[in-house]
Amino acid sequence: QQQVKQSPQSLIVQKGGISIINCAYENTAFDYFPWYQQFPGKGPALLIAIRPDVSEKKEGRFTISFNKSAKQFSLHIMDSQPGDSATYFCAVKGGSQGNLIFGKGTKLSVKP
Amino acid sequence: GAGVSQSPSNKVTEKGKDVELRCDPISGHTALYWYRQRLGQGLEFLIYFQGNSAPDKSGLPSDRFSAERTGESVSTLTIQRTQQEDSAVYLCASSLWHREGNQPQHFGDGTRLSIL
Repeated sequence: QQQVKQSPQSLIVQKGGISIINCAYENTAFDYFPWYQQFPGKGPALLIAIRPDVSEKKEGRFTISFNKSAKQFSLHIMDSQPGDSATYFCAVKGGSQGNLIFGKGTKLSVKP
Repeated sequence: GAGVSQSPSNKVTEKGKDVELRCDPISGHTALYWYRQRLGQGLEFLIYFQGNSAPDKSGLPSDRFSAERTGESVSTLTIQRTQQEDSAVYLCASSLWHREGNQPQHFGDGTRLSIL
């Protein structure tokens, strides 16, 4: 059973546009929701994370929106740049588990 | 300061051979994780070490997979009698003690394992 569903699989956005990636989860015990960015040949790097006691968190051009009742959270990249072209993964963690559970990833291409 | 270091960066081996992958976590990080990433896929959890506690091995896909950690430092992931389906990137991450809040996991760049 897939515990985190991420969409879309791939996304093409024009430079300056807004990129939106969505994730949905099932288990209400999850209490940590990070987004990771991965470039080819590199390990994932933490981009931004949110706890369920807030509905939105913004860091520069990156914003997480969190909807606890819908069990969904999304990443918004404002003013998307070609350098943002990468694969983005949402993840969840909580309860007694130590590991992150990852979505399948979204490959973002930002066209100049 | 150095990040998480993994070696080798690439490993090609024949089916049936054993392989050992190494991870050097960030100094002071007591938690260490191994994940597997198949081509074009998300990360699958394999095993987690926290201090001197017994490791969480719940993600290991078969008894051919094992891992050890020396104190709070180096870890090795061993795959015995490798199969072609073991081909993947094996990623290691480390973090501060996770039960004091959700500490970020910092990843190495992985070992790309190819089984011929």
